[in-house]
Amino acid sequence: QKEVEQDPGPLSVPEGAIVSLNCTYSNSAFQYFMWYRQYSRKGPELLMYTYSSGNKEDGRFTAQVDKSSKYISLFIRDSQPSDSATYLCAMSAPGANNLFFGTGTRLTVIP
Amino acid sequence: DTAVSQTPKYLVTQMGNDKSIKCEQNLGHDTMYWYKQDSKKFLKIMFSYNNKELIINETVPNRFSPKSPDKAHLNLHINSLELGDSAVYFCASSQRGLAIADTQYFGPGTRLTVL
Repeated sequence: QKEVEQDPGPLSVPEGAIVSLNCTYSNSAFQYFMWYRQYSRKGPELLMYTYSSGNKEDGRFTAQVDKSSKYISLFIRDSQPSDSATYLCAMSAPGANNLFFGTGTRLTVIP
Repeated sequence: DTAVSQTPKYLVTQMGNDKSIKCEQNLGHDTMYWYKQDSKKFLKIMFSYNNKELIINETVPNRFSPKSPDKAHLNLHINSLELGDSAVYFCASSQRGLAIADTQYFGPGTRLTVL
């Protein structure tokens, strides 16, 4: 079983829609949870960072962590064509010199 | 100004050749990394260097070797290239290290194609 599972999509939504992206994981030691956004032919860039459980909001983006279910989500409100990219979740455990990525979900927002 | 840069951007080569990819960061970060992203977009860490010391070495073939001449550079050397090495290789850096999940800044990637 992979450390992190993520639905690769692709996911297509109309402009203005609410997007939900999800990852599940198996390692209960994970405490750091991140979402990276990767545009085509570019390197990933950090979008959201959450420590342990709970929600974090930044503009149109909300990250949720449910450690009891080993499930994390990224919500995008009022999605824009510029949000079209691949979204990768990543997570790690404290002191564990490793970072595990999901396979990424490719999102297309149609104008 | 480019924070993390890599050269070359594209690399096409024959099986069996030896090649290098260069990476430089101007962020003053202490830790640099190499990642491999395969055709299915799966991103996996290969190496990281902190103050010239290798602190992670995932189960990659020993044909791959990182070389860090100084804190701002981490080059990747690949010997005897194989078809399965074809992928996009990303360099990244962070202020501190993975142990505290520090934010990583990625370069633009090097697309390696082995024929």
